[in-house]
Amino acid sequence: EPEVTQTPSHQVTQMGQEVILRCVPISNHLYFYWYRQILGQKVEFLVSFYNNEISEKSEIFDDQFSVERPDGSNFTLKIRSTKLEDSAMYFCASSEQVSTFNEQFFGPGTRLTVL
Amino acid sequence: RKEVEQDPGPFNVPEGATVAFNCTYSNSASQSFFWYRQDCRKEPKLLMSVYSSGNEDGRFTAQLNRASQYISLLIRDSKLSDSATYLCVVPGGSYIPTFGRGTSLIVHP
Repeated sequence: EPEVTQTPSHQVTQMGQEVILRCVPISNHLYFYWYRQILGQKVEFLVSFYNNEISEKSEIFDDQFSVERPDGSNFTLKIRSTKLEDSAMYFCASSEQVSTFNEQFFGPGTRLTVL
Repeated sequence: RKEVEQDPGPFNVPEGATVAFNCTYSNSASQSFFWYRQDCRKEPKLLMSVYSSGNEDGRFTAQLNRASQYISLLIRDSKLSDSATYLCVVPGGSYIPTFGRGTSLIVHP
């Protein structure tokens, strides 16, 4: 069964450093998403991406964040200058269509720890 | 009212019990609703979708009450493996989903 993969599974970084979280969506999917979940909190939408551009973004997704599809398989989330409060689980998801939320498949997540 | 609200629990039930969770939402225009299951430190996984009055899948039943703006999830004959956090998800405008904080279920022998 096809699945979304994410690397690394755990990233530890110092405050102020840049991090890049990587995702490989399901191969025939066209829509890509990033979510985050701070420990003990709810899952929060960050951004959706289609046709090489951002479709929607939340208030959390400020200038410190960027997304990119650098090649035909990877989808990345970059945090330019990490803050302590960026520590969270980051989930990538992909879907074939954008019309129904339940068709999004989530990756296993990257745990980001900012020290 | 918060956009999507759930009782955090935990609900602690014995195997074989029936347990129900509620989720209230504020966006009266929402047309579809979802229950996800999340195991500790894992990704959310779709459990059920609710588009009209309800949906049933084996031991799981989801019901929608539009007038009161809540959805419920009923689990019959609970198994140890049902222990998880159950997330209510309500897509808003532009398909941006709003997640509830989840209800924790612990099923014990």
